[in-house]
Amino acid sequence: SQQGEEDPQALSIQEGENATMNCSYKTSINNLQWYRQNSGRGLVHLILIRSNEREKHSGRLRVTLDTSKKSSSLLITASRAADTASYFCATDGPLRNNDMRFGAGTRLTVKP
Amino acid sequence: DTEVTQTPKHLVMGMTNKKSLKCEQHMGHRAMYWYKQKAKKPPELMFVYSYEKLSINESVPSRFSPECPNSSLLNLHLHALQPEDSALYLCASSQTRDRDRYGYTFGSGTRLTVV
Repeated sequence: SQQGEEDPQALSIQEGENATMNCSYKTSINNLQWYRQNSGRGLVHLILIRSNEREKHSGRLRVTLDTSKKSSSLLITASRAADTASYFCATDGPLRNNDMRFGAGTRLTVKP
Repeated sequence: DTEVTQTPKHLVMGMTNKKSLKCEQHMGHRAMYWYKQKAKKPPELMFVYSYEKLSINESVPSRFSPECPNSSLLNLHLHALQPEDSALYLCASSQTRDRDRYGYTFGSGTRLTVV
């Protein structure tokens, strides 16, 4: 079953602008991960943030996590047309059951 | 080798057919997963294998039968499927140790059409 909601469902920006996507989840988590999916094919792991971390950076990606609000955000800076894809957050539960579940996803379009 | 390989990439099957999806990884990951993804929806967890044992079955209908013959292979046997089972089937693998540091590795999926 789906873990939570993502906001917005779709986002369209110009190349060079920043893109922010938000994710909310329902249950306690061990970690939260962000994935990218191009054209309905395989998912690519972008970044993982543990439940005891608040912020993490990787290249042009910045992820924040607020466990009190059960929410996370993904910021992509200086976006490129190649960033056009669907982005999903996914949460790994606290029981270490390997039961990672995905949020609804945000469809990002970056116009050249 | 840092990939998860899924075969076939596309499959069309009738409702009376029996077919199998195959997934293979050589990263030494001891957890493997099947997810189902309908168009414009997020992936939904179906099955989890940990150390070649089925640890999670998300109440998946019995017409889907998973199998993990060894630590590198994961199969999904399909029988008597319905048209609504048409979807992208994704396989993934992950480490079982240090799971707080690494994400999952996904295959490119099998696009299944049931006619």
